[in-house]
Amino acid sequence: AQKVTQAQTEISVVEKEDVTLDCVYETRDTTYYLFWYKQPPSGELVFLIRRNSFDEQNEISGRYSWNFQKSTSSFNFTITASQVVDSAVYFCALSEEVNTGGFKTIFGAGTRLFVKA
Amino acid sequence: DSGVTQTPKHLITATGQRVTLRCSPRSGDLSVYWYQQSLDQGLQFLIQYYNGEERAKGNILERFSAQQFPDLHSELNLSSLELGDSALYFCASSEGSTQGAAETQYFGPGTRLLVL
Repeated sequence: AQKVTQAQTEISVVEKEDVTLDCVYETRDTTYYLFWYKQPPSGELVFLIRRNSFDEQNEISGRYSWNFQKSTSSFNFTITASQVVDSAVYFCALSEEVNTGGFKTIFGAGTRLFVKA
Repeated sequence: DSGVTQTPKHLITATGQRVTLRCSPRSGDLSVYWYQQSLDQGLQFLIQYYNGEERAKGNILERFSAQQFPDLHSELNLSSLELGDSALYFCASSEGSTQGAAETQYFGPGTRLLVL
């Protein structure tokens, strides 16, 4: 069965520190998709990144970077030089195709990040 | 702004009642997804529709139902409401153009439901 574990419930850092949010997933499928979403205090869910299971390239986008390792079933997210505006809840998610042609998405419990000035 | 709209933003109702939540996907998107976010259950996938047809089902209660109309908007109907149904209900949409691959879902602002 699918499972996404974000073991860190809350993380608190001081501005300009680097922070890594962990995500470990479980799946029996060989083809799957991983996502990170951000939920700021305003409540909306903002898409950050999508990764498919056959693309293990790490990605960097500005201060954000993602480390995908199939061998450890992990898809970790690092924010470099954190800023107060990064304060939010971050969700890791796993999507798998179901036999009706759609996709079922499982979200982790989320990690609440506090960045203090 | 993701381009996905949801109405109403807030809804307060009583136990046993029935409500309808509405979602308009981004222009051109064919797939719509519904999620429930509560403190105890987290973000739970409920159901996916593609161009009017149900495509995937998650942990959706029998008291809940959804549909997607020909103009691609979707409605989530919640009936015989219980206190535990109080939650934030999100709708998301995706292009629906990539067969066999999970697409990026863009989320609406959500409808906050409070059952008293």
